[in-house]
Amino acid sequence: AQSVTQPDIHITVSEGASLELRCNYSYGATPYLFWYVQSPGQGLQLLLKYFSGDTLVQGIKGFEAEFKRSQSSFNLRKPSVHWSDAAEYFCAVGNAGNMLTFGGGTRLMVKP
Amino acid sequence: DTAVSQTPKYLVTQMGNDKSIKCEQNLGHDTMYWYKQDSKKFLKIMFSYNNKELIINETVPNRFSPKSPDKAHLNLHINSLELGDSAVYFCASSQGTGSTSGRAHEQYFGPGTRLTVT
Repeated sequence: AQSVTQPDIHITVSEGASLELRCNYSYGATPYLFWYVQSPGQGLQLLLKYFSGDTLVQGIKGFEAEFKRSQSSFNLRKPSVHWSDAAEYFCAVGNAGNMLTFGGGTRLMVKP
Repeated sequence: DTAVSQTPKYLVTQMGNDKSIKCEQNLGHDTMYWYKQDSKKFLKIMFSYNNKELIINETVPNRFSPKSPDKAHLNLHINSLELGDSAVYFCASSQGTGSTSGRAHEQYFGPGTRLTVT
């Protein structure tokens, strides 16, 4: 069965610092991979997606993610974090039946 | 111009009551979903409908009954509410079906309905 692991429950970074959020997945076939962001009290917003092709994908708000098949990873990165990036981030893998399996989420806190 | 909308945003009710949450999408998508997010932020699929037909029904108590009057709407009715039903419920939609299409998995979420059962 497919699964998604986000090893870091909480991460705190200083404003202006770089960010990397980890995501590991388990899936038998080529995965469809997604990152979503959830601001407090809000729904989930799609940040970026990987279907195929170039393994480095660009998303909204200056985020990017790199698919590494050998490591079964799809880590999210941002070169310079802004205070407004503080939120919960979810990695997800798409599988048979149009289902998305989500990781447990990583809460990002940004220090001024 | 809201893409996926849900009503109500907050719902507080007592145990044993019956309540409904409504969802509408104006994206022209033909697949809609209900997810439950628990207090630890864990997200789990509950149901999926494609063109008004149920295609996914995860292990959910039969007190939960989805209804899709048309492909733009997917409502969730919950009977005999229990304390453990307290959660945030998210509606989502996507275009197309079939695991061979990445776009079929690209889901757009509503703002959520926070259900509190007392």
